[in-house]
Amino acid sequence: DAGVIQSPRHEVTEMGQEVTLRCKPISGHNSLFWYRQTMMRGLELLIYFNNNVPIDDSGMPEDRFSAKMPNASFSTLKIQPSEPRDSAVYFCASSTPLGGSTDTQYFGPGTRLTVL
Amino acid sequence: AQTVTQSQPEMSVQEAETVTLSCTYDTSESDYYLFWYKQPPSRQMILVIRQEAYKQQNATENRFSVNFQKAAKSFSLKISDSQLGDAAMYFCAYTTLGGSARQLTFGSGTQLTVLP
Repeated sequence: DAGVIQSPRHEVTEMGQEVTLRCKPISGHNSLFWYRQTMMRGLELLIYFNNNVPIDDSGMPEDRFSAKMPNASFSTLKIQPSEPRDSAVYFCASSTPLGGSTDTQYFGPGTRLTVL
Repeated sequence: AQTVTQSQPEMSVQEAETVTLSCTYDTSESDYYLFWYKQPPSRQMILVIRQEAYKQQNATENRFSVNFQKAAKSFSLKISDSQLGDAAMYFCAYTTLGGSARQLTFGSGTQLTVLP
């Protein structure tokens, strides 16, 4: 079975441009998480969805960040406009629901974003 | 708020030897999960082992085992017969089962070097 799929794997853009990161969760998982990893702040949750509905977006840094999950197999994280301080590795993770099997999050390979 | 502390930024071990990585956490919850994730240079976050707080028995996965001390809020990872492929950053993580707060809270990581 395929794991979590993220695209692109690397993204280099210029300040002010719009950036869209994509994620396909593991089939059958109904929770999806977006994390950001930086040297300064480590791994931090940005937002997560249950059954395509955003549950907790308190980690989204500011209005420049938005996330959507139009269906169970696809999610996007958009940054508009991008800034150099947004440079980081962005991870998507998915998990099965509570009450099902153990609530373990499985991570995608990450997208390394560089904003010049 | 839950916190996870990894007090060893770096550790090294000789190939075939045993090493223990430390993790402590702070929570007021009684039911939760603890995890160890491995992040090699490829950046992929790989689940190593998982422990349910209600289980008294320590989890084991082949050469990996944990020492879970619930009262002390301690969750250490032991790697036996260390291999070169074990070299990576190791993150301890916590998630509660209560309410909607199902995010993973990560420690700052321990960089493990395996010496040939």
